[in-house]
Amino acid sequence: TAGITQAPTSQILAAGRSMTLRCTQDMRHNAMYWYRQDLGLGLRLIHYSNTAGTTGKGEVPDGYSVSRANTDDFPLTLASAVPSQTSVYFCASSELKRGGAAEQFFGPGTRLTVL
Amino acid sequence: GQNIDQPTEMTATEGAIVQINCTYQTSGFNGLFWYQQHAGEAPTFLSYNVLDGLEEKGRFSSFLSRSKGYSYLLLKELQMKDSASYLCAVRDSNYQLIWGAGTKLIIKP
Repeated sequence: TAGITQAPTSQILAAGRSMTLRCTQDMRHNAMYWYRQDLGLGLRLIHYSNTAGTTGKGEVPDGYSVSRANTDDFPLTLASAVPSQTSVYFCASSELKRGGAAEQFFGPGTRLTVL
Repeated sequence: GQNIDQPTEMTATEGAIVQINCTYQTSGFNGLFWYQQHAGEAPTFLSYNVLDGLEEKGRFSSFLSRSKGYSYLLLKELQMKDSASYLCAVRDSNYQLIWGAGTKLIIKP
């Protein structure tokens, strides 16, 4: 089982360009998440989706957009990249249940550098 | 505001025991998680606490005190492969995870 895949693994992007980070899971999880991880900071939630067709804003949504057309895919788009968006981006998924652990499973990450 | 505090870095010796502390102040509490993250890799789930007390899972144990806003992760019989960052995260009233910055654990032979 692949779990969660992300593409690309890494990317160098010119400021002002747009880019879509891809994320696909095969665990049939309802909930999916996009985080960014920066040195010295905890993972910060960008956007999330509790089920196909719905999305929500996290802690740092500005400059990013997402869509959830189906259960498996959750792409993250940067419309016009800026250097402060240089980061490692992780996609995650989990079962959606209020009780119990419902731990999040993470993809391998995309390392993005905006110059 | 919401805040998760953990030490930035700790060093321990192979075969020893180490305790990594986490204190939190969040809007609501629906469980506390510990994840392990090796350098350059994704976080992986270690443990979950929602009630006060100790949860044991092999060489790893996690403790929670909700009244004190405090948790710790205890690693026994340390092995070199335990060198990693350990992330504490609290699920808040919106059922979203709030993450600490992580504790980098260095194991020396």
